[in-house]
Amino acid sequence: LAKTTQPISMDSYEGQEVNITCSHNNIATNDYITWYQQFPSQGPRFIIQGYKTKVTNEVASLFIPADRKSSTLSLPRVSLSDTAVYYCLVVLKYNTDKLIFGTGTRLQVFP
Amino acid sequence: DVKVTQSSRYLVKRTGEKVFLECVQDMDHENMFWYRQDPGLGLRLIYFSYDVKMKEKGDIPEGYSVSREKKERFSLILESASTNQTSMYLCASGSSYQETQYFGPGTRLLVL
Repeated sequence: LAKTTQPISMDSYEGQEVNITCSHNNIATNDYITWYQQFPSQGPRFIIQGYKTKVTNEVASLFIPADRKSSTLSLPRVSLSDTAVYYCLVVLKYNTDKLIFGTGTRLQVFP
Repeated sequence: DVKVTQSSRYLVKRTGEKVFLECVQDMDHENMFWYRQDPGLGLRLIYFSYDVKMKEKGDIPEGYSVSREKKERFSLILESASTNQTSMYLCASGSSYQETQYFGPGTRLLVL
C-alpha cells in the first residue's frame, strides 16, 4: 500500500538550517505536495506547496526532484518558535485519488 | 483570515452514545474535511465533502457518517461511540481538495 514516510523526530539548534524529507511513491501526476506545521493544541497550518523543482516563500523552501518520489522541506535559520510537528500531504493515485498525510516529523529546536 | 470553528474543544462521551461534532467555516469553501489524529499515525482522512449534500469516504470511514446540509457546515457523526474512537478530531476546509486546507483547533474526544 502506497504511503508517505517521514522521520519521526529531528533535533536542531537555533540558527541552523533544517531539512525534513518526505518519501512518497505512486504520487498522483500533476498534483501538489503540501507541507503543514502543527503546534500543540492547534490544528495544522499551511507552510508551503509545490509541484516540481523548487518553491520558496518567506518561511521555507520546498525541493522536489524530477521523479517526485520525495520532497524536502527546508527551514532556514530555525528559531525556538519553529519547534513543532511538520507534515507532508500528497495525493496518491492507485484505485482512487487519496489525500495522504505523512505521519509527521517532530522538530525540536534547542537554544 | 479564514476561520474554521469546531463546536467543542473537549468532549467526554460514553460507549454507545451518538456523538455529533460540528464544524463551521466562513470562507465559502466548497470542500470540507474530517480527520482524526492519533499518536504515531498522523492525520487520517475520515470523510470529505466537495459540495452541499455530497460526501466521499476517506481512509477510515467505518463507524462514522457525515452531513453537509449547508455549505458552511460539515458535521461528523459517531452513530454509536466506541472506546477506539477516542482521538483528536480535526476539521478543515479548502477551495479544492488539492489546495491549501485551513484547519480548526480540533476536538479531543474521550469515549469511556
